[in-house]
This record gives sequence, C-alpha cells and structure tokens, in this order.
Amino acid sequence: GIQVEQSPPDLILQEGANSTLRCNFSDSVNNLQWFHQNPWGQLINLFYIPSGTKQNGRLSATTVATERYSLLYISSSQTTDSGVYFCAVERHTTTSGTYKYIFGTGTRLKVLA
Amino acid sequence: DGGITQSPKYLFRKEGQNVTLSCEQNLNHDAMYWYRQDPGQGLRLIYYSQIVNDFQKGDIAEGYSVSREKKESFPLTVTSAQKNPTAFYLCASRTSRDTEAFFGQGTRLTVV
Repeated sequence: GIQVEQSPPDLILQEGANSTLRCNFSDSVNNLQWFHQNPWGQLINLFYIPSGTKQNGRLSATTVATERYSLLYISSSQTTDSGVYFCAVERHTTTSGTYKYIFGTGTRLKVLA
Repeated sequence: DGGITQSPKYLFRKEGQNVTLSCEQNLNHDAMYWYRQDPGQGLRLIYYSQIVNDFQKGDIAEGYSVSREKKESFPLTVTSAQKNPTAFYLCASRTSRDTEAFFGQGTRLTVV
C-alpha cells in the first residue's frame, strides 16, 4: 500500500518563528488533507489540498502531486500552534471504488513562549 | 449545529468485556470511518463504510466489529478478541470520495 512519511518528526520553535513541515508519499494520490491534533486529541481540519497552493491566515500549504509531496508552512508561530500535524492521503483503487485515507506518522510541534 | 458526535468521551472496561463506541453524524455524509491512535503514533484505519448496510475492513480490523444500519450512525464494537484495546478511537465522515473528511472528538478507551 501507499506509504506516507512526514518530516521532521519533532520540531521545537520559539514563538514568532516560521516553519515548514513536509509530507512525502510513495505513489500518486487523488486527495490530501492536513490536520492539526490539539492537546485534547481533536483533529482540526487545516487544508484539503490534492494539488496547488492554499492559504489561511498564518498557514499555507502546497501540494506538488507529480513529485509526490506536500508542504505545510506556519508563519509567526504561536504557542497555540503546538500539537501534532498530520497529513493524510487517499489513492483510489481500481476495483469497486473503495476509498480511504492513510495517515502519516505526524510532526510533533512545540512552540515556546 | 452539524457535526460528528462520539460518545462517551472516556470509557473504562474490564478485560474480557465487549464494549461499543458510538459515532453519530448529522452532516448527511455517506462515508464513515473508524481509526485507532496509540500514544505517540499516527492513525490506523479499523473499518470504513461508504454506504448504508455496507462496510469494509481497514488495516487493523481483527478484534473489532461494526454495523451501518442508518446513514447517520456507525457504531464500533471492541470485542474481547482484541488483544490490546486500550487506545484513542476516532470516527470520521465525509460526503463521498474526493471530499474533505471531518473527525469527531474521539473516545479514550481504557481496559483494565
């Protein structure tokens, strides 16, 4: 099956710093999402981005599907950005149209005040 | 408000007992999913359902069972055959393929 790798696994930043999180996937994908898991375990949707670039406030994301990677940019980081960031990908199978998201292992971010 | 509701938030059970986790959505989504997360790990797919009365095994289905009798409900039963049931369980749903998935708040199951 498709493999999803995220880097770096851990990241510590000072408040106000910028960062780039990477998601590599081993095969072509039809869909990709970025999530932020807060300290209570809730998964918050950040971006639905199978291709192209999107921005939402201090966050932006770019997916280059042909090169099998996606990047999440966090600018002017805040302590509330702390948590785990997951990328999830979906590859449509050729049989029966089954579809499911496969998650990467995540990047654990800690932002220090 | 529309959303996905998982209950209970915390669940404690004795070893050997079956337990059912609830997942309800009022988003009119066709597809629903169950994931398991162990401490410090990513999410692994247990079961998913694309339509009522149909579901498929994910990557770690052994020791779990599901049903999909109603569009809005997708309960997960953790059976006594699941060797390491203590984990955080997350339910998700989306309209169909090629659409954004949304998650519930999760259920923390502890088996003692």
